[in-house]
Amino acid sequence: GAVVSQHPSWVICKSGTSVKIECRSLDFQATTMFWYRQFPKQSLMLMATSNEGSKATYEQGVEKDKFLINHASLTLSTLTVTSAHPEDSSFYICSARDWVSGVGDTQYFGPGTRLTVL
Amino acid sequence: GIQVEQSPPDLILQEGANSTLRCNFSDSVNNLQWFHQNPWGQLINLFYIPSGTKQNGRLSATTVATERYSLLYISSSQTTDSGVYFCAGGSSGSRLTFGEGTQLTVNP
Repeated sequence: GAVVSQHPSWVICKSGTSVKIECRSLDFQATTMFWYRQFPKQSLMLMATSNEGSKATYEQGVEKDKFLINHASLTLSTLTVTSAHPEDSSFYICSARDWVSGVGDTQYFGPGTRLTVL
Repeated sequence: GIQVEQSPPDLILQEGANSTLRCNFSDSVNNLQWFHQNPWGQLINLFYIPSGTKQNGRLSATTVATERYSLLYISSSQTTDSGVYFCAGGSSGSRLTFGEGTQLTVNP
């Protein structure tokens, strides 16, 4: 159980285009999902918290008009990188929060999406 | 916000060796998780351990909440254990703050 998928797993796009990344919780409902960004050899940096049915909460320094997040259902959150530029190239990872009886409040992570902007 | 410090940053082992990874927190947390990031980038949940000790096969973890640290033990390491190990902590239901990770290399 507790599987999170991401699509696409990798994408290459031209500068100025927009890219949408989907994050799905496959076998549980997630009222809260998180989006992270990871640069090579670095840790995960939280970009935003996505709550179903409400606006996302962005971390300081993350442009909300650049990184559009929509959490339309209990199993799907999307991240759209608008007008992508080469500096947006990174590894984007989503996670979904689940409360597991006997375990606790746990985040499960998707496999990540590698974005390359030319 | 919470600061998370992991040590060591890099660790190289021979297959079969044991190791201990440490995670220190600047403040109390009631959500603490250990992850393994494989070479393809997938983060795999190892332990949810805000306090106490848990074991899963060759891996075990101990968190001393009152002293704000957690330890991950790897016994009889295998080459497939290679990768980056992250600890992350936060308040229940809230964001997780990640440490910088420990890059583990297990040589045959």
